[in-house]
Amino acid sequence: KNEVEQSPQNLTAQEGEFITINCSYSVGISALHWLQQHPGGGIVSLFMLSSGKKKHGRLIATINIQEKHSSLHITASHPRDSAVYICAVRGAQGGSEKLVFGKGTKLTVNP
Amino acid sequence: ETGVTQSPTHLIKTRGQQVTLRCSSQSGHNTVSWYQQALGQGPQFIFQYYREEENGRGNFPPRFSGLQFPNYSSELNVNALELDDSALYLCASSLGLRGYNEQFFGPGTRLTVL
Repeated sequence: KNEVEQSPQNLTAQEGEFITINCSYSVGISALHWLQQHPGGGIVSLFMLSSGKKKHGRLIATINIQEKHSSLHITASHPRDSAVYICAVRGAQGGSEKLVFGKGTKLTVNP
Repeated sequence: ETGVTQSPTHLIKTRGQQVTLRCSSQSGHNTVSWYQQALGQGPQFIFQYYREEENGRGNFPPRFSGLQFPNYSSELNVNALELDDSALYLCASSLGLRGYNEQFFGPGTRLTVL
């Protein structure tokens, strides 16, 4: 079993829909990242959080430390949101910035 | 402030050859991490360099090696290339080793081994 599991693996939505991507992890963490990867390959960091909730524009990320679960929500989705969304966690052990990644969720938003 | 850059963008090699990939960290960042991302998979941690010393390594064989220079730029070297080494190689820079420091990713180098 992977340390970081994402669901769904693939997601197709119509423009304007509310989208939720889930991430579950099995280890203690110091931080969880939500990342966006476009077809060209470059990765952009969307959020880094260790508790509660963060919001940036139409994106909202939440984390429940007790349940080892995080969600990424996209409100009023748009075709430009089409990308792979990756959850990554950093272990609770100090001294290393090693990230453990999920396999990603491929989101396609149709006009 | 410049972001993380990587070179080359794309590279094609044959089995058995050696390759060097380069990463320039974001200004002021002293930590560089390297990741391998196979097609359809999430990135896998290769190793991390902090102030020119290796600080943590993932499950990769010794033919994957690295360097970090005094200006904190970094190289990833892979010897005796195998077909399975074909992947996107990503580097990420950050400031220090604290868990709350954000990593900034470069655009990646896509390596194809024939």
